[in-house]
Amino acid sequence: NAGVTQTPKFQVLKTGQSMTLQCAQDMNHEYMSWYRQDPGMGLRLIHYSVGAGITDQGEVPNGYNVSRSTTEDFPLRLLSAAPSQTSVYFCATTSGASGANVLTFGAGSRLTVL
Amino acid sequence: AQKITQTQPGMFVQEKEAVTLDCTYDTSDPSYGLFWYKQPSSGEMIFLIYQGSYDQQNATEGRYSLNFQKARKSANLVISASQLGDSAMYFCAMREYYGGSQGNLIFGKGTKLSVKP
Repeated sequence: NAGVTQTPKFQVLKTGQSMTLQCAQDMNHEYMSWYRQDPGMGLRLIHYSVGAGITDQGEVPNGYNVSRSTTEDFPLRLLSAAPSQTSVYFCATTSGASGANVLTFGAGSRLTVL
Repeated sequence: AQKITQTQPGMFVQEKEAVTLDCTYDTSDPSYGLFWYKQPSSGEMIFLIYQGSYDQQNATEGRYSLNFQKARKSANLVISASQLGDSAMYFCAMREYYGGSQGNLIFGKGTKLSVKP
């Protein structure tokens, strides 16, 4: 049982390049989300999804796109990377964004934009 | 305004002593939940403990307990008998059941705990 799998673990991009961070879960969770972690800023929500075909913006959505075509996958796309997007990205899932349901996190993806 | 405030960027504690990590929150939602996560230097996020706003008793999980003071809107994490492996970043988070955050977790900025041998 893999849980939440993020790929790649590390990536270096040049300004203006595009890339996709992958997130896959095998727990049949309806809710999936992407956070970014920056020093001194905690974790901030980028986008989230409450089920296949449904996505919504979080606190810091600019510069990122998401889609949710299946329950298992929730990729995060950077269309034109900027140095401000240098960060550690976490995918997190739960059976539902309510009550005591605990967010389960992937291992993180460290992105550097030069 | 910040929804979750962790006022201690860094803390030191002697091994085997207890330590309290502070967390205050701001919400007008009567129904909410509070979570604590640990992030060791390896980077993964580990769930520690949960407290619901209507829970009558403070939550406990092994050496972790949550000192929940609803009127003061504080949810401090208490770690008893600190161990070297407790050295990590600790994040407090809140879920508002009916508020504008749509059930998403809102995180504080974290406290870095260092345990001294």
